[in-house]
Amino acid sequence: DVKVTQSSRYLVKRTGEKVFLECVQDMDHENMFWYRQDPGLGLRLIYFSYDVKMKEKGDIPEGYSVSREKKERFSLILESASTNQTSMYLCASTTGTAGAFFGQGTRLTVV
Amino acid sequence: GIQVEQSPPDLILQEGANSTLRCNFSDSVNNLQWFHQNPWGQLINLFYIPSGTKQNGRLSATTVATERYSLLYISSSQTTDSGVYFCAVSFGNEKLTFGTGTRLTIIP
Repeated sequence: DVKVTQSSRYLVKRTGEKVFLECVQDMDHENMFWYRQDPGLGLRLIYFSYDVKMKEKGDIPEGYSVSREKKERFSLILESASTNQTSMYLCASTTGTAGAFFGQGTRLTVV
Repeated sequence: GIQVEQSPPDLILQEGANSTLRCNFSDSVNNLQWFHQNPWGQLINLFYIPSGTKQNGRLSATTVATERYSLLYISSSQTTDSGVYFCAVSFGNEKLTFGTGTRLTIIP
């Protein structure tokens, strides 16, 4: 079975902190994605990556950056956390031919 | 970009009833998936179904790509089927675009 693992289930951070959300997949998938989910707004794409060291902006990249140094790991970075980044963050990986698989999600609260 | 619409937005059913959820999309796709979001927020894959019909137990799905819609059928609903069901589509290596979901509530 494909496994996508996010580093934390719940996270509480202070405004202004630098926050790292880690995502690891074990199926050698080329493509990885970071989404955030908010009530009434659905799932919105933040960043995605087609290969190591490659990244593309999604629909809402402002305030975020990403890192993909190894194929299996895709990190989302909040450079200076703000309260409007309180959200559910979902990581996914896909080959493009078998569909996407999601991690368990990280509920981030910025206080 | 591709637009994805799901209907109905909310559905409340008695345990044992059958249900049909619909997903309409605005452009050609070669990837369509159905997900169930569990109470803890994780998106669980139900079907990868860019075309045709698949069945898995009480759940089945049909996608008619030429007419740009997909249907998810749930038979003999159980309370554990409650949650939000999402349809998501993409073309090639493009991002997955999600519908707004159908919230299903199964009453004992």
